[in-house]
Amino acid sequence: DVQLVQSGAEVKKPGESLKISCKSSGYSFSNYWITWVRQMPGKGLEWVGIIYPGDYDTRYSPSFEGQVTISVDRSISTAYLQWSSLKASDTAMYYCARSPVILVLYPGALDVWGQGTMVTVSS
Amino acid sequence: DIQMTQSPSSLSASIGGSVTITCRASQSIDSYLNWYQQRPGKAPRLLIFDASSLQSGVPSRFSGSGSGTDFSLTINNLQPEDFGTYYCQHNYRTPHTFGQGTKLEIK
Repeated sequence: DVQLVQSGAEVKKPGESLKISCKSSGYSFSNYWITWVRQMPGKGLEWVGIIYPGDYDTRYSPSFEGQVTISVDRSISTAYLQWSSLKASDTAMYYCARSPVILVLYPGALDVWGQGTMVTVSS
Repeated sequence: DIQMTQSPSSLSASIGGSVTITCRASQSIDSYLNWYQQRPGKAPRLLIFDASSLQSGVPSRFSGSGSGTDFSLTINNLQPEDFGTYYCQHNYRTPHTFGQGTKLEIK
C-alpha cells in the first residue's frame, strides 16, 4: 500500500523552531516528487514548495521562500518541512503529497496525500 | 505566478442532479490542470489530472474538460458523499497554485 504518514500535531511558541515529517512507504521514494501544502484554519489550499528526492531539486512558492525549508532523508524515505522561527501566522494544517514524474523529470498531479500535521503557534 | 480563479465559490444541488464548476487560469496552462475534492476534516483527494483524465478509483460521474485557460469539472448523478470543497490546481510551472475552492452542499 502506498502511504504518506505525517508526524503528529505540534503546539509551539512564537520564535521557536520546528521540523515536521512525512514518511513514505510502498513505492520508490526517490522517483516521485513531494509537495508541501498549507491550509490555514477555515481557508483554502496553498502550495508551499516541492522537492525531488532523486536529485534534491527544490522549489518554493515566492510566498514561502526564506520562511521554510524543505528537505529529505532518502535513507529513511522521509521528507521534512521546517521553520527556524515560527510566527502565529504559521498556524495551519500542513499536508505532504507525492506526484509522479511526467515528461522529463517534471511533477504531475498530487496523487497520494498524507493525513496532515496541525501546527499551532501561540504564546 | 499563475492565478487560478474558480466559480462559483459555493453552490447547492440535489441528489441525482448535476453541477459544473469552472476554473480559469491567468495565462495558458495547456492541459496541466488537476481537480481535488476535500471533505471536512480530511486530506484532499485527486479526482482529475491533465484536465480530463479520471484518477484510478474515482467514480465515472466525475468528468473534466478544457485546455488553455478555461476548465470545468462536472459531477453527474450527485451522491451524498460528493459534498465538500473542490479545488483546481495547475502544474504548468512552479508555483503550482490552487484555486480558492468551491464549496458544494447537497440539498
